[in-house]
Amino acid sequence: EIVLTQSPATLSSSPGERATLSCRASQTIDTYLAWYQQRPGQAPRLLIYHASNRATGIPARFSGSGSGADFTLTISSLEPEDFAVYYCQYRDNLRWTFGQGTKVELK
Amino acid sequence: QVQLQESGPGLVKPSETLSLICTVSGGSVTRYFWSWIRQSPGKGLEWIAYIYYSGGSNYDPSLRSRATISVDASKNQLSMRLSSVTAADTALYYCAGGRGRVTHFDYWGPGTLVTVSS
Repeated sequence: EIVLTQSPATLSSSPGERATLSCRASQTIDTYLAWYQQRPGQAPRLLIYHASNRATGIPARFSGSGSGADFTLTISSLEPEDFAVYYCQYRDNLRWTFGQGTKVELK
Repeated sequence: QVQLQESGPGLVKPSETLSLICTVSGGSVTRYFWSWIRQSPGKGLEWIAYIYYSGGSNYDPSLRSRATISVDASKNQLSMRLSSVTAADTALYYCAGGRGRVTHFDYWGPGTLVTVSS
């Protein structure tokens, strides 16, 4: 079973700053890793799929990278609406696993 | 644009069976893969089950014995039953779907809150 570990648990930042979120898998995986954003009171929203592809309508300030067991979601310049919880997700043998989430909060 | 709407009982008694429905609009339920995912209060996301109309199903091992996922093409709906519920099953339940490669979820419903309590 693949376990995804996200860090940090909480990231305190200010608007305009760069945010770097990490997702580490318990073993080497392929690049079918996705990232989601969840704002308070809302369902998750797909941001990035296949490690580096932005989903439809996602702003260019969001980017994904990584390979092997280490993946990164970068928000180049935080906007007020970006303060939310972010989850990484991987599918292995038709079973899906999520990381525990990183909360990006206002400093 | 595919839209999803979950519906459920709201409150379920311990040991009873929870039944959830997800109504799909803007697309055919037969053209996508589907899952149920839940989120306990203040917690992260937990995948429960997967189904593809023509390709079988799968479950989280810890819930396999209690969960049943199905698709009703005539109603364009996805459903799930979870038996022998306990307080630990109290959560916001989401239906989610995807297209193309069966790897990630493009579409999410707003979720339906289920509380297990006597």
